[in-house]
Amino acid sequence: AQSVTQLGSHVSVSEGALVLLRCNYSSSVPPYLFWYVQYPNQGLQLLLKYTSAATLVKGINGFEAEFKKSETSFHLTKPSAHMRDAAEYFCAILNQAGTALIFGKGTTLSVSS
Amino acid sequence: DGGITQSPKYLFRKEGQNVTLSCEQNLNHDAMYWYRQDPGQGLRLIYYSQIVNDFQKGDIAEGYSVSREKKESFPLTVTSAQKNPTAFYLCASTPDQGRTDTQYFGPGTRLTVL
Repeated sequence: AQSVTQLGSHVSVSEGALVLLRCNYSSSVPPYLFWYVQYPNQGLQLLLKYTSAATLVKGINGFEAEFKKSETSFHLTKPSAHMRDAAEYFCAILNQAGTALIFGKGTTLSVSS
Repeated sequence: DGGITQSPKYLFRKEGQNVTLSCEQNLNHDAMYWYRQDPGQGLRLIYYSQIVNDFQKGDIAEGYSVSREKKESFPLTVTSAQKNPTAFYLCASTPDQGRTDTQYFGPGTRLTVL
């Protein structure tokens, strides 16, 4: 069975600092992985996705993630945080049947000036 | 503009009442989903539907029911059997039957049981 684990329920950075949000996955088949962002009281928006093409995936708003099979990781990074990046971030994996996404519990990113 | 709409944005229910949350999409997507979101729990799948007149239970279907009579509509009923219904409910859709590539989400409905 597939699963994702997001390490750290809350991450705080200063504006301009590196953002690193961690996601590890478990899967018996080659995974399809996603990062979504959620702003308060809103739906989720796709940041990026890995679908077995390039291991370094670039997304919107300057975010990127690197798929590392040996570490079963798909960490999300951004070189320089901005105040508008403050939100909740979810890592997700496509289930083996290809019928639904399995989400991690989320990481809240706070950005201070 | 194409998208997913959910209504109402906020909903209050008395204990013992059934309540129906609306989800409509004009993206011509085949598959639709309902998730429940609780603080610190991420999103958990309630029901999904890949085609009209067909739907499948997700991980936490107990106390919920759905219908899919039209491609663009996937309403969720929270029944009195749901013991702890207070949560944020999100509807989503994807273009292709049988695949959940990119899921597009609605703005959500916050349900509070009084």
